[in-house]
This record gives sequence, C-alpha cells and structure tokens, in this order.
Amino acid sequence: GENVEQHPSTLSVQEGDSAVIKCTYSDSASNYFPWYKQELGKRPQLIIDIRSNVGEKKDQRIAVTLNKTAKHFSLHITETQPEDSAVYFCAASKGNAGNMLTFGGGTRLMVKP
Amino acid sequence: IAGITQAPTSQILAAGRRMTLRCTQDMRHNAMYWYRQDLGLGLRLIHYSNTAGTTGKGEVPDGYSVSRANTDDFPLTLASAVPSQTSVYFCASSHREGTEAFFGQGTRLTVV
Repeated sequence: GENVEQHPSTLSVQEGDSAVIKCTYSDSASNYFPWYKQELGKRPQLIIDIRSNVGEKKDQRIAVTLNKTAKHFSLHITETQPEDSAVYFCAASKGNAGNMLTFGGGTRLMVKP
Repeated sequence: IAGITQAPTSQILAAGRRMTLRCTQDMRHNAMYWYRQDLGLGLRLIHYSNTAGTTGKGEVPDGYSVSRANTDDFPLTLASAVPSQTSVYFCASSHREGTEAFFGQGTRLTVV
C-alpha cells in the first residue's frame, strides 16, 4: 500500500519568515495530494490540495508543489503569522475506488511572534 | 445538522466495556471513514465504507467493528475496550473515496 513520509516533525519559525514542509510518497499511481491543518483540540481541515496534472498551486500565502518523478510534494507558507501555528498533515491517494487517503505523520509548526 | 458530527465528544470507559461511537453526515457523501489519532502520531485509518452497505478494513482494524446501514450514519463499535484504545477518534466523509475528506469534531476516548 501507499506510504507517506513527512518532514520535519516540528518546525519553529519567526513571524514573517517562510515555512516549508515536505512529504514523499511511495505509490507512483497516487494522483491526489491534500494538505490539512489541525489546530490544538480541533478537527483537521483541508487548506489546499493538488492533483497530479499540475506542478504547483497557490492560494494567497500558501502554495503546494508536486514533483511526480521524485514522488514528493511540499507545502510552502510565506509571511507566517502566529495563527499559522498548528499541526499540518499531508496525504496521498489514487483518488478512485478502493483507495483511501494515507496521511503523513504530521508537522507541528510554531510561529514565534 | 450541518456537515459531519460525532457523539459523544468525550468518554471515560472501563476496560472490558462495549462502546459505540456515533457519526452522522448530511452531505450525502458516499464514503465514510474512522481514524484514530494518538499523541505524536498521525491519523491512522481503522475502517472505511465506500458506500452504504459496504465496509472495509483500514490500517488498524483489530478490536473495532463498523456498519453502514444507510448513507448518513457510520457507527464505530469497540466490543471490549482495552487501554490501548485510548485515543482521539475522528470520523470523516468524502464524496468518493480518496478525495477531500471532511472531518467530524472528534471523540476523545479514555479506557481505564
């Protein structure tokens, strides 16, 4: 089955700096890659996703890049703010019948004011 | 109801007792899932259902069972709880399997 590795497990940045979280996946057939943000005590919520037919997607201060050849994808957060502090999870799936989302282990991001 | 809801929000359970965690969604999603989240670990899939009437095993199914009698409900049952089942349980749903998942608010279960 699919295996998703996520790094780093913790990341501390100064407010205003950029943060990058990286994930690798094992199944070359995976074609859907979402990112979830989970604030303390809350449910995971989708913040951005990318499909295999594009290499990059942006939404304001967040962007995701995908390298299908190398089987890795990354989350980029620019101009970080204290409210960006949370645990971020990447995931991968084939997006079709019988293929569930497989999650990475999570990254705890701390943005220091 | 708007979205996906779980009940109870938290529970302390004696070991050996039976417990059912409830999950209901009103988005008419075909696929539903149960994950557990342990401290320091990510989300691990327990069971899933691609559509009403069908279920499947995830990564960590032992000690748990599910049913999917209709589109909206996907209860998770612990037949005889053990302390290692202490965790936060999240139910989720998606239009179809492997696409964007919407999560419930979670159930914090402590087995003592």
